[in-house]
Formats: sequence, C-alpha cells, structure tokens
Amino acid sequence: DVKVTQSSRYLVKRTGEKVFLECVQDMDHENMFWYRQDPGLGLRLIYFSYDVKMKEKGDIPEGYSVSREKKERFSLILESASTNQTSMYLCASSPRGGLSYEQYFGPGTRLTVT
Amino acid sequence: QQQVKQSPQSLIVQKGGISIINCAYENTAFDYFPWYQQFPGKGPALLIAIRPDVSEKKEGRFTISFNKSAKQFSLHIMDSQPGDSATYFCAASMGYPGANNLFFGTGTRLTVIP
Repeated sequence: DVKVTQSSRYLVKRTGEKVFLECVQDMDHENMFWYRQDPGLGLRLIYFSYDVKMKEKGDIPEGYSVSREKKERFSLILESASTNQTSMYLCASSPRGGLSYEQYFGPGTRLTVT
Repeated sequence: QQQVKQSPQSLIVQKGGISIINCAYENTAFDYFPWYQQFPGKGPALLIAIRPDVSEKKEGRFTISFNKSAKQFSLHIMDSQPGDSATYFCAASMGYPGANNLFFGTGTRLTVIP
C-alpha cells in the first residue's frame, strides 16, 4: 500500500524560529513535492524534487528551502518562520514513469507560527 | 495567476441530491484533468481523471463532463451521500511526470446533509 508520512500532524513555532518539516515515502518514487494549502487558495506548489539532491522552485518558494539527501526523504525548511507561513503543508510523491496527474499525498502538517 | 478556476467554494447538498462542481482553464497544453478528494485530516487522493478527447467519464456515482471548446469541465456526484462530504479539487496536467505539471483549482468544500 502506497504510503507518504509526515513527521508531525500539528506544529506550533515562534516567529523567527527555523522549522523543519519531514516527509518520507516508501514507494521508491523519484518525484517528491511540497505544497501549502490555504482556504480559498487551493494547493500551491512550494518546491519539488525529481531526484536525490535535485530541487526545483515551484510557484511560491520565497521563505522556504528544501533538502533531499535520500530518495525516500524530502525536507521542507522554513529558515525564519513568519506568521504568514501559518498553513497546512502537504507532501506528495509520484513515480517518474507513472501517470502524470497522479500524486500520492501525506496527511499534512498544520503549522502555526505565533 | 490561477491556471485552473474552480467554483463554487462551498456547496451544501441534501442526501440523494446531485452535487456539481465546475472548473475552467485557459492553457490548451493541458492534456489530463484529474479530480482529487480530500477528507478532513487526510491528504488529497486521486478520485477520477479524464482526457480532453473524451466528453464524459463515469466511475460509480462520480462523473466528469468535459467541454473542450468551452475549456470547462465539471464533476457530478449523483445520489450524494454524507460520506461524500469532503473537499474536492479539480486539476489540470500537462502530461509529463515529474516537473511542475499539475495545477490545482482552489477547492470546493462539499457538505451532504442527511
């Protein structure tokens, strides 16, 4: 069974803190994605990676960075958290040779920055 | 710029009724149009998808209708059930895995009243 797990379901951090969100997939997928989900704005792509150590900016990369040292793990880093980064963060993965429109999502991490 | 426009933002339907969610796009390079379903506390999951050379695709109570000339597509949920209560995202894909090729609508929160 396909599985994408995220390290925390809920996270509360203070403004200015460095925040790490971890995502692990057990499907041997090449592609991994980080989205944020906000009411009325849908899913917006922050960063994606199509291979180990490779990364590409999505639509809203400002204030974020990513790391992919191993195929199964993709980390999202908020260098200095701000209140406007309070959101639901979703990780997803997909196989390189799979259906272009099918991504497998984790359950999400709801981050609150105070 | 929103690549895929979705409406309504929220929808309340009586049990047994038909739920209809509409989406529109501009980019004719899109060649797959999937719908994702997200239950509370879960990540989105692929529900159904259609290619633009097909006008309708049905899976159980879920039907996608596609109007290529109008660049519009919609999801119909027949005999809606309380268990269908979820957020639905339409999306559009350019058909090659990996890159930033999946664009989501803003989501519709469906509530089915018993």
